[in-house]
Amino acid sequence: DTQMTQSPSSLSASVGDRVTITCQASQDISNFINWYQLKPGKAPKLLVYDASNLETGVPSRFRGSGSGTDFTFTISSLQPEDLATYYCQQYDNLPLTFGGGTKVEIK
Amino acid sequence: QVQLQESGPGLVKPSETLSLTCTVSGGSVSSGAYYWTWLRQPPGKRLEWIGDIHYSGSANYNPSLKSRLTLSIDTSQNQFFLKLTSMTPADTAVFYCARVGVMIKYADIWGQGTLVTVSS
Repeated sequence: DTQMTQSPSSLSASVGDRVTITCQASQDISNFINWYQLKPGKAPKLLVYDASNLETGVPSRFRGSGSGTDFTFTISSLQPEDLATYYCQQYDNLPLTFGGGTKVEIK
Repeated sequence: QVQLQESGPGLVKPSETLSLTCTVSGGSVSSGAYYWTWLRQPPGKRLEWIGDIHYSGSANYNPSLKSRLTLSIDTSQNQFFLKLTSMTPADTAVFYCARVGVMIKYADIWGQGTLVTVSS
């Protein structure tokens, strides 16, 4: 299985701050990574697919980049509604696997 | 728009079998473009892919669960199903159903999730 190591596990930032989350794959997964947002009691939401493609309707402050084994997810200007936990997910091979999550809190 | 809704028992006894249903509305499970997928998240742990099924009946299972897992699909009812046998407290989790693309495996539509607790 491809292991996904995500960091940090949590962070606290102010509204307007730039937030960066990283995900490292245990093997080369090309650009086969997606990013999701989870909020309690709500359906998870796809934000970025194929490493850097923004899902339709997702605000442009969300961005993904990277290839191979190292990937970055950025929120350029944190908003109050971005309070959530974010997960990376690889789809280079089965089983699909996820990072451990990053809980984003607002200062 | 396409919506998915999980249904099933919230409480299962150890050693029993969990049966969950995912009902798809606003779209068809007969679309060849998607895998109909189950995932779960135990409390405090990361998301785990359980497996998926195509309308053709072809299924993929997580090896860690394969011996206990059966996925099925009913195109006439627009539903797909999960059966997980020999449940233990370690299987306590929020279970999600989701639509995952065949070509690019991202889960673009998810259900809200259903909490399943395994306890006597």
